[in-house]
Amino acid sequence: AQSVTQPDIHITVSEGASLELRCNYSYGATPYLFWYVQSPGQGLQLLLKYFSGDTLVQGIKGFEAEFKRSQSSFNLRKPSVHWSDAAEYFCAVTSGTYKYIFGTGTRLKVLA
Amino acid sequence: EADIYQTPRYLVIGTGKKITLECSQTMGHDKMYWYQQDPGMELHLIHYSYGVNSTEKGDLSSESTVSRIRTEHFPLTLESARPSHTSQYLCASRDAGGSPLHFGNGTRLTVT
Repeated sequence: AQSVTQPDIHITVSEGASLELRCNYSYGATPYLFWYVQSPGQGLQLLLKYFSGDTLVQGIKGFEAEFKRSQSSFNLRKPSVHWSDAAEYFCAVTSGTYKYIFGTGTRLKVLA
Repeated sequence: EADIYQTPRYLVIGTGKKITLECSQTMGHDKMYWYQQDPGMELHLIHYSYGVNSTEKGDLSSESTVSRIRTEHFPLTLESARPSHTSQYLCASRDAGGSPLHFGNGTRLTVT
């Protein structure tokens, strides 16, 4: 069955520290992969997407993600976290059909 | 800048009332979605639409109904609200297969 796993429910980092949020997927075909961010009371905003080609993709707000087919992973990274990055982050996957599978999210807390 | 709009943002309503959650998009997307989001859970698809006059139920059993009379408009109706309907409802739309979903800011519904 298709699935997306975000192993970390909560992550706390200090402002200025680096960040890595994990995402593992289970999918038969080559997937389309996405990372979204959600601030309280808001909808989901797209950070970045991977379709094909270069496995390291750049997104908005200084985020990047690396697709590793051998590990079925699509981890999100940021070199230096800002207090405004505190939010919930969702990984999602689709094969190109109507169906999008979302992870359960990782809530990021940033310490001043 | 939101290209997909949901109203109302917040709604508190009594049991048994009929409600309609509005969703409109200005991107000309054929595909539109309604998701239900609860804390700590993945997003659950409740309805989607391929285009005008084309709607399907999603994976999550729902007592709601939808209509798609115009490309830009995809309202969701609950004929008789119950406390179990208390949740956040997210509307989304997309372009061709594999494209990212664009989300509205959501409607937080509380049924008392």
